[in-house]
Amino acid sequence: SAVISQKPSRDICQRGTSLTIQCQVDSQVTMMFWYRQQPGQSLTLIATANQGSEATYESGFVIDKFPISRPNLTFSTLTVSNMSPEDSSIYLCSVQASGEAKNIQYFGAGTRLSVL
Amino acid sequence: AQSVAQPEDQVNVAEGNPLTVKCTYSVSGNPYLFWYVQYPNRGLQFLLKYITGDNLVKGSYGFEAEFNKSQTSFHLKKPSALVSDSALYFCAVRLQIKAAGNKLTFGGGTRVLVKP
Repeated sequence: SAVISQKPSRDICQRGTSLTIQCQVDSQVTMMFWYRQQPGQSLTLIATANQGSEATYESGFVIDKFPISRPNLTFSTLTVSNMSPEDSSIYLCSVQASGEAKNIQYFGAGTRLSVL
Repeated sequence: AQSVAQPEDQVNVAEGNPLTVKCTYSVSGNPYLFWYVQYPNRGLQFLLKYITGDNLVKGSYGFEAEFNKSQTSFHLKKPSALVSDSALYFCAVRLQIKAAGNKLTFGGGTRVLVKP
């Protein structure tokens, strides 16, 4: 399985500011994803991070609010812009495995964000 | 559209007793099915998957799940629960067809509490 590192692991931010979350994988992967897990709830896909092109956003999520970069096959960032308390969530990066495990998504430990 | 239901918010079981966590799904086509576990302050860990073939799949930590196409279910089971199995469990589904992408849809999660 892939080893996924997310930074920061947690942060407390002020309303109106932005936070960029980094996701680093120990091997090249084609597909990377960003999910949100709101307090006490399940995971919702924000977007698929595409290498060399714009991310593909799910319904209810927009690029201005959640800009995503994917400069290469091992790294991606998610920015949570102009934050409000409603953005307080866990944000998780995941990657689609290749080879024998190609149908499995592996997840990072997540970034726990609190917005005051 | 695809959806996943986990009808129980919480399951309580005594250590050593069998554990079952229920999951039903709805997709327009053949599904890939997954179980993940989330320990406190950790990301999601992959437990097992059903892709094709044998309806009974075995995964990590002694867990297994049975795919039942007629009942559209994929219940997670463990013959003898451990206190360390106490965690949040998520069932997830995605479609097999390439056009659907790799989007995972998660159930709401079931909290398992194993008492000594």
